[in-house]
Amino acid sequence: DVKVTQSSRYLVKRTGEKVFLECVQDMDHENMFWYRQDPGLGLRLIYFSYDVKMKEKGDIPEGYSVSREKKERFSLILESASTNQTSMYLCASGSGIGGGYNEQFFGPGTRLTVL
Amino acid sequence: DQQVKQNSPSLSVQEGRISILNCDYTNSMFDYFLWYKKYPAEGPTFLISISSIKDKNEDGRFTVFLNKSAKHLSLHIVPSQPGDSAVYFCAAKIQGAQKLVFGQGTRLTINP
Repeated sequence: DVKVTQSSRYLVKRTGEKVFLECVQDMDHENMFWYRQDPGLGLRLIYFSYDVKMKEKGDIPEGYSVSREKKERFSLILESASTNQTSMYLCASGSGIGGGYNEQFFGPGTRLTVL
Repeated sequence: DQQVKQNSPSLSVQEGRISILNCDYTNSMFDYFLWYKKYPAEGPTFLISISSIKDKNEDGRFTVFLNKSAKHLSLHIVPSQPGDSAVYFCAAKIQGAQKLVFGQGTRLTINP
């Protein structure tokens, strides 16, 4: 059974703190993604990675960075958390085989609150 | 610039009737479309997809229709069940690209 796990379901941090969100997938997928979900805005792509140590900016990368040192793990880093980064963060993975005509599998999400 | 739009934030349907969720897109390069379902406090789960070479795809109670000339797709659920109450997202991608572009979501409520 396909599995994407995220390190925390709920997180509360203070403005200015450095925040790490971890994601692990067990499907040997090449591609991994970080999204944030906000009411009325849907899912917006922050960063994605198509291979170890490779990363590409998504639509809203400002204020975030990522790390992919191993194929199964993709980390999202908020260097200095701000209140406008309060959101639901969703990690996903997907196979790169077949030109990408396949779905992405999502983790359960991390609800981050920045005070 | 919202390339994938779901113009109805919410939809309420009676149990047993048909639910129709709509999605419009602006980028004519999109060639693969997906629908995801999301319950509160859970990640989205894949529901059904359609390639641009088709105009219809069915999977049990779920059917997706694609109208390329109108840049419009719709998800039909029939008959609707209480467990279908969730937020539905449509998504689109371009051939060769790995990233998906999502719509804003539509909250579907099935009333008994």
